[in-house]
This record gives sequence, structure tokens and C-alpha cells, in this order.
Amino acid sequence: QQQVKQSPQSLIVQKGGISIINCAYENTAFDYFPWYQQFPGKGPALLIAIRPDVSEKKEGRFTISFNKSAKQFSLHIMDSQPGDSATYFCAASYAGGTSYGKLTFGQGTILTVHP
Amino acid sequence: DAGITQSPRHKVTETGTPVTLRCHQTENHRYMYWYRQDPGHGLRLIHYSYGVKDTDKGEVSDGYSVSRSKTEDFLLTLESATSSQTSVYFCAIGRTSGVYEQYFGPGTRLTVT
Repeated sequence: QQQVKQSPQSLIVQKGGISIINCAYENTAFDYFPWYQQFPGKGPALLIAIRPDVSEKKEGRFTISFNKSAKQFSLHIMDSQPGDSATYFCAASYAGGTSYGKLTFGQGTILTVHP
Repeated sequence: DAGITQSPRHKVTETGTPVTLRCHQTENHRYMYWYRQDPGHGLRLIHYSYGVKDTDKGEVSDGYSVSRSKTEDFLLTLESATSSQTSVYFCAIGRTSGVYEQYFGPGTRLTVT
């Protein structure tokens, strides 16, 4: 069962543009929503994360927007750079007893930023 | 890199042979996880551990077993490898000091021929 749906599968933007990746979840018990960045041959690296008690979190050029009622969250990359070219994954989990931290991932978005 | 190492980093094995992958952490975290990554599927949880000798199944646990006899080591075993288990395997740790964060190791690329 796919509980986290991510779109688009691939995204091409020009340098300096805004990259937007969207995710939707089904399980209302989820209370932790991280985004990971992965370069070829590397493990996923935690980029930014949000909890449902806030609607937005910003770290540098990266912003998560969270809509609890719609069960959606998105990653915005401002002033996109060629070095941002990577695969991005959204994920979700809930802190329920021994299930703490079990992440359910979206399918990933391949971002290409053209110079 | 959260002090996570995985071994081996690459392995080619034949169908039907047993394989064990090792995850080692240096930071004494309670929670450890094994995921597999396949094209079109993102990452999927295989097994996880919430303490020494405390483990549980994830989304895709069939054909896999795990063991955790020490805090720092989490082993993933494929009892009899199949071609469908060709994948990249990632170990992760859950850092619970303050805000929860999960960090991944460098991965093991396993090919079953």
C-alpha cells in the first residue's frame, strides 16, 4: 500500500528558478515529515523536516510547506543551483510505541537544474 | 555522516546462498533500521530494531531476518538469496536526542546472479 505519493517523478528547472516537489499522505497518525536528498552512489541525506504543529519551516533556500487538512506537504527550493541536482524523497512516520521512526517514503523526484 | 558504516559495500552472490550485511554505528542510538532501494519504489523498510534483541518487521520483510546482539551492530541476513533481492540496502539510525532525526549509512549494493 502506497501511503505517501510524491510528484512529479522528474523535474527540470533553470538555475535561479524555484523547484517545487509535492507529497500527499494517507495515514493521519503520521507526525514527522522529513525530506531527503540523495546523490548518485550515496545514501539519502536528511535535508529538512517538519512536524504537523507548524505550517511552514525554512532552512536557507529550502522550505517545507505543510497542509494538515489536505494531508499534503511540499518542498520548495529557492534560487535552484546545478549543485541541487539530485533525487529528493519525502517521507512520513509516527511516534507510536515501538514503531517509532518507521519511515514510509515517496517514490522520489529526480531534479535537474540547468546552468 | 552520523557514524554509520556498512559492510560490505558491494557484493555479488549466487542464488540460494546466504548473505549477511552488517551495519555498525558509533553513537549508541537505540533505533536502527534496514531499508532497500529499488527504482520506482523509493526506499522500503525491511526490519527495524528498538533495542538490543528487540526487532520487528517492516513493509518488505519476507526472505530477510535480522539480529541485534549489541547496540552498535544490526545485521541483515538473506537466508537464501534470490534475484528479486538484488538491490541497494541502506541502514539507518534514529537520533532521539531533542528533535527526532533519522540518518542513513552509505549503502550496500547487492547483486544476486
